[in-house]
Amino acid sequence: KAGVTQTPRYLIKTRGQQVTLSCSPISGHRSVSWYQQTPGQGLQFLFEYFSETQRNKGNFPGRFSGRQFSNSRSEMNVSTLELGDSALYLCASSPLRLADYEQYFGPGTRLTVT
Amino acid sequence: GNSVTQMEGPVTLSEEAFLTINCTYTATGYPSLFWYVQYPGEGLQLLLKATKADDKGSNKGFEATYRKETTSFHLEKGSVQVSDSAVYFCALRDDKIIFGKGTRLHILP
Repeated sequence: KAGVTQTPRYLIKTRGQQVTLSCSPISGHRSVSWYQQTPGQGLQFLFEYFSETQRNKGNFPGRFSGRQFSNSRSEMNVSTLELGDSALYLCASSPLRLADYEQYFGPGTRLTVT
Repeated sequence: GNSVTQMEGPVTLSEEAFLTINCTYTATGYPSLFWYVQYPGEGLQLLLKATKADDKGSNKGFEATYRKETTSFHLEKGSVQVSDSAVYFCALRDDKIIFGKGTRLHILP
C-alpha cells in the first residue's frame, strides 16, 4: 500500500504571497490532519479533516485554512505569508477519526518564506 | 490544557549503551500515549504506543510503560545502535495529538 504523499516537497515563497500544499492519504483512509513543525515551537496541530469537514482545529490564525475532497485528498492554504510561517508541514492520515486510530505521516513539505 | 514534556537533547551515547528518554504528561482523563521517531529528512513514524495505565508498548527493542501514578511514559532501550540516531517525540492523544518538543539522539560508533 502506498504511503501518505505530499506535494511539493520543497517550496520557496515571498512574504505576502499565498501557498497551497497537497496531501494524498493512504488509500481507504478518511481522516487527514495537518501539523506545523518548527525548531522553536516543535510540532503543532493545525486541523483535522474527516469526510470533507473540518473536525478539529489548533490555535492558528485564520490565514491557515484547508479543505478535503471527496476522494479524501486534502489541501492546506496559507495566505499572506509571513517569515514565521517557514516550517515543515506534515500531513497524516488515519482510517477514521484520529481520536480513535493511529496516524501515518507523510514526508512533509518544507516551506521557506523569504 | 493537556501537555507533554520530554527531556531536552541532544543526547549523545556510544553504541550498545542503555537509553532512557524521559517523558511526562499532563492530561484530564486517560489519553493514549505514543512515541514517534523522525529520521533525517523523513516524516514521523509511530514507534510504539500504550492506550491504558500499566500498558507496555514495545517495538524494535524500544519499550515504554504507561505510568498513571507518575504521569510518565519514559522511552528505554537496552542497547542502542548507530541506526537509532534520530529525533524522538513523545505524544498524547485526546481529540488531537499533542507532541513534546522532541529529543535528538546521536549514537556514536
